[in-house]
Amino acid sequence: NAGVTQTPKFQVLKTGQSMTLQCAQDMNHNSMYWYRQDPGMGLRLIYYSASEGTTDKGEVPNGYNVSRLNKREFSLRLESAAPSQTSVYFCASTEGGETYNEQFFGPGTRLTVL
Amino acid sequence: QKEVEQNSGPLSVPEGAIASLNCTYSDRVSQSFFWYRQYSGKSPELIMSIYSNGDKEDGRFTAQLNKASQYVSLLIRDSQPSDSATYLCAVNRYDKIIFGKGTRLHILP
Repeated sequence: NAGVTQTPKFQVLKTGQSMTLQCAQDMNHNSMYWYRQDPGMGLRLIYYSASEGTTDKGEVPNGYNVSRLNKREFSLRLESAAPSQTSVYFCASTEGGETYNEQFFGPGTRLTVL
Repeated sequence: QKEVEQNSGPLSVPEGAIASLNCTYSDRVSQSFFWYRQYSGKSPELIMSIYSNGDKEDGRFTAQLNKASQYVSLLIRDSQPSDSATYLCAVNRYDKIIFGKGTRLHILP
């Protein structure tokens, strides 16, 4: 039981390049989330997927796209990376449902855009 | 008003003392409240969840919730150097969870 896994762990991009961050969970959770964390800014929600087949924007969605590939996998794509997207990205999942339960986090991806 | 507010700290507490962390939230519809601990360079991990008014104890940790006043607190008894971390308060808002910016806690040996 690996929990939430993310790839890659580190990435350096040049401005304008594209990349996809991968996230997978093996806990049969319904809901999945992408956050970014910047110094002094806390965790900010980029996109989330409350259930398989649905995605919604969070607080800071500009410059990103997501795909809920199946119940296990939720990817985040940067189409044209900008230095402002330098951050640590966390994927999280939760069981979902009427009672909001705890989120489980992946180890994070540290992205630098030059 | 920010949705979830915390004092950023750092909060310095002597080893063995009680550390008290506070959080206020703005949305009265919130029903679920969480405290996460985050070590530098690591991902957040859940240490306490609370859903009803009052106190909830788990080992050295006690979470307190007051929905009328819209605040949540976390008490850490017998603070240890290993408790030095950033503590994130989180509150649900419908199908999302909103995080505060976190309070840095430093336990002084």
